[in-house]
Amino acid sequence: GAVVSQHPSWVICKSGTSVKIECRSLDFQATTMFWYRQFPKQSLMLMATSNEGSKATYEQGVEKDKFLINHASLTLSTLTVTSAHPEDSSFYICSARDYRTSGTSYNEQFFGPGTRLTVL
Amino acid sequence: RKEVEQDPGPFNVPEGATVAFNCTYSNSASQSFFWYRQDCRKEPKLLMSVYSSGNEDGRFTAQLNRASQYISLLIRDSKLSDSATYLCVVNVMIYNQGGKLIFGQGTELSVKP
Repeated sequence: GAVVSQHPSWVICKSGTSVKIECRSLDFQATTMFWYRQFPKQSLMLMATSNEGSKATYEQGVEKDKFLINHASLTLSTLTVTSAHPEDSSFYICSARDYRTSGTSYNEQFFGPGTRLTVL
Repeated sequence: RKEVEQDPGPFNVPEGATVAFNCTYSNSASQSFFWYRQDCRKEPKLLMSVYSSGNEDGRFTAQLNRASQYISLLIRDSKLSDSATYLCVVNVMIYNQGGKLIFGQGTELSVKP
């Protein structure tokens, strides 16, 4: 149980295009999903917290107009990188928290396999 | 100062060695603590949670010292398959937002035959 999928697993695009990444919880409902970014040799950095049915909460320094997040259902969140540029090339990872643990101090998150974005 | 800091690494050790990873965190609102393992180009996977009383899982022992805000992981009798990056992670509760995970920068371990 507790499987999270991401699609696509990798994408190469031209500078200026938009890329949408999907994150799905396959066997549980996720009130909250998280989007992370990881540059080479660096750790995961939280970009935003996505709550079903409400606006995402972005971390400091992350442009909400550039990284559009939609969490329309309890099993799906999408991240759209708008007008992507080479500096947006990174490994994007989502995670999902089971709604049954929401609001508790225990915060197990289940991670997707990641999406490797390369912007030419 | 980073919220979660780890030994910079990399650690290169022979098979069978004992390896210790150290981590400190700065946010006193941190409530839960974890060690994750990340293989190259893959997502992080939970290795073990860390409790104040210390906990052990086979060859792996984790300890937490809340007073000094310090977390450790010990791997005994290291195997080739232990080669990975080890991430120290803390869960910080944010009012009205639930918890969020803060990751250390990771310490790379390479176990050689």
